[in-house]
Amino acid sequence: GAVVSQHPSWVICKSGTSVKIECRSLDFQATTMFWYRQFPKQSLMLMATSNEGSKATYEQGVEKDKFLINHASLTLSTLTVTSAHPEDSSFYICSAQRGLGTEAFFGQGTRLTVV
Amino acid sequence: GESVGLHLPTLSVQEGDNSIINCAYSNSASDYFIWYKQESGKGPQFIIDIRSNMDKRQGQRVTVLLNKTVKHLSLQIAATQPGDSAVYFCAENSGGYQKVTFGTGTKLQVIP
Repeated sequence: GAVVSQHPSWVICKSGTSVKIECRSLDFQATTMFWYRQFPKQSLMLMATSNEGSKATYEQGVEKDKFLINHASLTLSTLTVTSAHPEDSSFYICSAQRGLGTEAFFGQGTRLTVV
Repeated sequence: GESVGLHLPTLSVQEGDNSIINCAYSNSASDYFIWYKQESGKGPQFIIDIRSNMDKRQGQRVTVLLNKTVKHLSLQIAATQPGDSAVYFCAENSGGYQKVTFGTGTKLQVIP
């Protein structure tokens, strides 16, 4: 199967700072990637759809100015959590698909802890 | 809004027995369904998928059943092994869209 890689796997940052998470499709091109957030013992909640070369589409309730998404190339999308606060601590996961109606491949996730 | 949900939050199964994990979905327009396995601290891993023009699909030790009449999806795992212990999510993808909507998840515990 296809490989999607996230970096870093975990990060601890101070409250008020910004953190960037990278998502790469290693062996295929992805015009669209997705960012999810998962709190402990809960399901994955879609935050936004990242579109290569255009603005991301955010789900209702997700602050676009707080969660900045950049999809600079067909293999890389980044999520920047700006001015992070403890309530932003969560497991962030990205996914990518080769095309419409095909299986999504997920990254290994990034554990963000804001102290 | 449309949602995909699960009936059972936790399922305990004896090693060697078969496991059945259920899922209900509400979006009648859904035409592609996926089961994912998520181990602690990791991203979801694809298990098996099924399209709405099918009612059954088999993989290695796993079978997915789709009942469109009652909007129900199930995952059957044969001869459950300790390595199957994880949280299982059903997910839905509507035609023309790429985003995947996840259900609430079922934790499968395999008792040795």
